[in-house]
Amino acid sequence: GNSVTQMEGPVTLSEEAFLTINCTYTATGYPSLFWYVQYPGEGLQLLLKATKADDKGSNKGFEATYRKETTSFHLEKGSVQVSDSAVYFCALAVNTGFQKLVFGTGTRLLVSP
Amino acid sequence: NAGVTQTPKFQVLKTGQSMTLQCAQDMNHNSMYWYRQDPGMGLRLIYYSASEGTTDKGEVPNGYNVSRLNKREFSLRLESAAPSQTSVYFCASSERGSFPDEQYFGPGTRLTVT
Repeated sequence: GNSVTQMEGPVTLSEEAFLTINCTYTATGYPSLFWYVQYPGEGLQLLLKATKADDKGSNKGFEATYRKETTSFHLEKGSVQVSDSAVYFCALAVNTGFQKLVFGTGTRLLVSP
Repeated sequence: NAGVTQTPKFQVLKTGQSMTLQCAQDMNHNSMYWYRQDPGMGLRLIYYSASEGTTDKGEVPNGYNVSRLNKREFSLRLESAAPSQTSVYFCASSERGSFPDEQYFGPGTRLTVT
């Protein structure tokens, strides 16, 4: 079946530190991969996506590269800000028929000044 | 545009009570979804509606019913609430439901069943 595994949190960093949140997946077929972000008290927002192997998604200084050989889609940011504190969800969708998302468990990021 | 709206924001029910969670979107999207979010489990799909007039079960449909009232509105009903249904419920919508597609989420309803 399809599943997503994320690193457990919380991840605690100081402002301007480098961020990596690991995500690996298992899927039948060739999935699209997504990172969603949930700020406190809000719904999820799409942060970035990649639809095929070796694609790099990027947005707001965050990047993730679709690695088919390691079945991974790790999220990175070179210099985090306090405003990046949120929960980050990795997700996949298999590209056949109706597109349903499969989510990881989420990783909470806490950034201190 | 308001995007995806949900009511209520918070609700406390006693075991056995019923209630309906409301969801509406103003983006003219064809597909709508209901998820629940539980600690340590991410989001799980309860029901979805690929298009107006259709609904289908997701991963965890037991104890729930849905109605796609029109293209804008998709409601989730708990007929007899149980403590295991304590969760945060999110509604989402997407333009067509087929690849590639982005889902837009509402702010959520926090439900507690005592």
